[in-house]
Amino acid sequence: QKEVEQNSGPLSVPEGAIASLNCTYSDRGSQSFFWYRQYSGKSPELIMSIYSNGDKEDGRFTAQLNKASQYVSLLIRDSQPSDSATYLCAVNTDTSGTYKYIFGTGTRLKVLA
Amino acid sequence: EAEVAQSPRYKITEKSQAVAFWCDPISGHATLYWYRQILGQGPELLVQFQDESVVDDSQLPKDRFSAERLKGVDSTLKIQPAELGDSAMYLCASSLGQVMYEQYFGPGTRLTVT
Repeated sequence: QKEVEQNSGPLSVPEGAIASLNCTYSDRGSQSFFWYRQYSGKSPELIMSIYSNGDKEDGRFTAQLNKASQYVSLLIRDSQPSDSATYLCAVNTDTSGTYKYIFGTGTRLKVLA
Repeated sequence: EAEVAQSPRYKITEKSQAVAFWCDPISGHATLYWYRQILGQGPELLVQFQDESVVDDSQLPKDRFSAERLKGVDSTLKIQPAELGDSAMYLCASSLGQVMYEQYFGPGTRLTVT
């Protein structure tokens, strides 16, 4: 069974620091990767997508992909208390001929004021 | 900005009753997904449609759950009869296609079965 692994946390960082969130996946053939933010009681909100090895930056967010190590990360610079949420990693992967999105269990981030 | 619409937002029902959820994807999105999310876990795919066809329902408890997307646009997910263990957030999402497209979620329906 294809899996996506995340540390459940909580990851606590002080306001203004860099938060680093990590995700590993089991299917070496996966081609597209996504980070979602989910506030308590709300639905997931897409933050970033990444398809190629390397870094992709969008504002305070940077996604990093290393397909050889099967590893995706999300960096949040200048963390704010409003960034406190659960961050879900998702991988679009072929499962028995159908492409699906497999989600990790999420990492809970706490940004301390 | 286009959004995925879902209703109702909250539903409380007694066990053994029937319940239905509705989803309207972003216009033009061919792929529609229904997920169930239990507190502390990631979304779990229940059923995936490509246009009006089901492409995956391997995790859908078919003895009590059904889903349809008759005209390839909006979709309905039904539970009959509801059980206590069905209490969860039910999420609908859509994407332009199945492969390498970004997927967008609706606001979800919080179901409580008493």
